[in-house]
Amino acid sequence: NAGVTQTPKFQVLKTGQSMTLQCAQDMNHNSMYWYRQDPGMGLRLIYYSASEGTTDKGEVPNGYNVSRLNKREFSLRLESAAPSQTSVYFCASSQGPEAFFGQGTRLTVV
Amino acid sequence: AQSVTQLGSHVSVSEGALVLLRCNYSSSVPPYLFWYVQYPNQGLQLLLKYTTGATLVKGINGFEAEFKKSETSFHLTKPSAHMSDAAEYFCAVSEGGATNKLIFGTGTLLAVQP
Repeated sequence: NAGVTQTPKFQVLKTGQSMTLQCAQDMNHNSMYWYRQDPGMGLRLIYYSASEGTTDKGEVPNGYNVSRLNKREFSLRLESAAPSQTSVYFCASSQGPEAFFGQGTRLTVV
Repeated sequence: AQSVTQLGSHVSVSEGALVLLRCNYSSSVPPYLFWYVQYPNQGLQLLLKYTTGATLVKGINGFEAEFKKSETSFHLTKPSAHMSDAAEYFCAVSEGGATNKLIFGTGTLLAVQP
């Protein structure tokens, strides 16, 4: 069972570069989420999608965009990366109270 | 607005000792409550959850938590710590519904001393 799959697992970007983090789930869940994890701050919600075709801002959306490509896929885009976006990014999906998480993408912006 | 407070960013216990990780929440509606565990360089794994019904919830690896509405708490306990319990633990709250957003606490890093 794949669950929630994120690519890539690691990435180093230069300031100003752009990139897209990919996320796919195979559990037929309606809701998908992007979180970032920083030391001492827990996980903070960047964007979420309650259903295919809808997206909404979370707690820390600035500098990010998302696309809910279809029910399975939810991508996160950094248009112009900044060192403050160095973090570990987690994608999650849910159908009901429990959320299932991917293994994370460790992003470093230099 | 929902929020979660985890008291103690670092907790150290001896192997075999009681583990107690504290979590308090605020929510305007009856909450769903969760504990997740994260081992180094891994994703988050659900330990246990409270949605409705019995307020004492048992999870994996011998952990349990009790929902106390009057104290707005959902503390995590384990009677006897094992070295393999060393990890970071996150408490989270959700109001459910269509969006089901999880709001996380800042985490507690548990160290287990031999």
